[in-house]
Amino acid sequence: EPEVTQTPSHQVTQMGQEVILRCVPISNHLYFYWYRQILGQKVEFLVSFYNNEISEKSEIFDDQFSVERPDGSNFTLKIRSTKLEDSAMYFCASSESRPGAANYEQYFGPGTRLTVT
Amino acid sequence: QKEVEQDPGPLSVPEGAIVSLNCTYSNSAFQYFMWYRQYSRKGPELLMYTYSSGNKEDGRFTAQVDKSSKYISLFIRDSQPSDSATYLCAMSTGNQFYFGTGTSLTVIP
Repeated sequence: EPEVTQTPSHQVTQMGQEVILRCVPISNHLYFYWYRQILGQKVEFLVSFYNNEISEKSEIFDDQFSVERPDGSNFTLKIRSTKLEDSAMYFCASSESRPGAANYEQYFGPGTRLTVT
Repeated sequence: QKEVEQDPGPLSVPEGAIVSLNCTYSNSAFQYFMWYRQYSRKGPELLMYTYSSGNKEDGRFTAQVDKSSKYISLFIRDSQPSDSATYLCAMSTGNQFYFGTGTSLTVIP
């Protein structure tokens, strides 16, 4: 069964450092997403990406965040200067279609746990 | 005011019971409604997706949406120990997604 993969599974970084979280979406999917989940809190939408550009972003997704699809398979989330409060689980997801389509289904990856010290 | 409200539980039921999970929301712009299951240290897994008021059934799962009351439910029939997980409701305007806090469910053999 196809799946979304994410690397690394756990990333530890010092405050102020840049991190890049990597995702490989399902190969025929066209819509890509990043979410975060701070420990014990709800899953929060960060950004959606389609046709090589951001379709929508939340208030959380400020100038320190950026996303990129550098090649035909990877989808990355970059945090430019990490803060302690960026510590969370970051989930990548992908879907073949967008909400509204009868066959809409969003598949999540296993997540990258980011710890900022 | 929170966009999506969900009782975090925990909820504990005996095997075979019918489980009812619920969420309320405040934003009339939500058009799409989803239920996810999340096992510990895993990503959410989509269980049910619907975009209209009424019921949608898939095996032991039934999703119910009442847009007039801004209330959605997930029913699990004949619950199994393997159903033990956190259940997240989620809603979308089509562009942004909003999740509930999740309800922790334990099904006791």
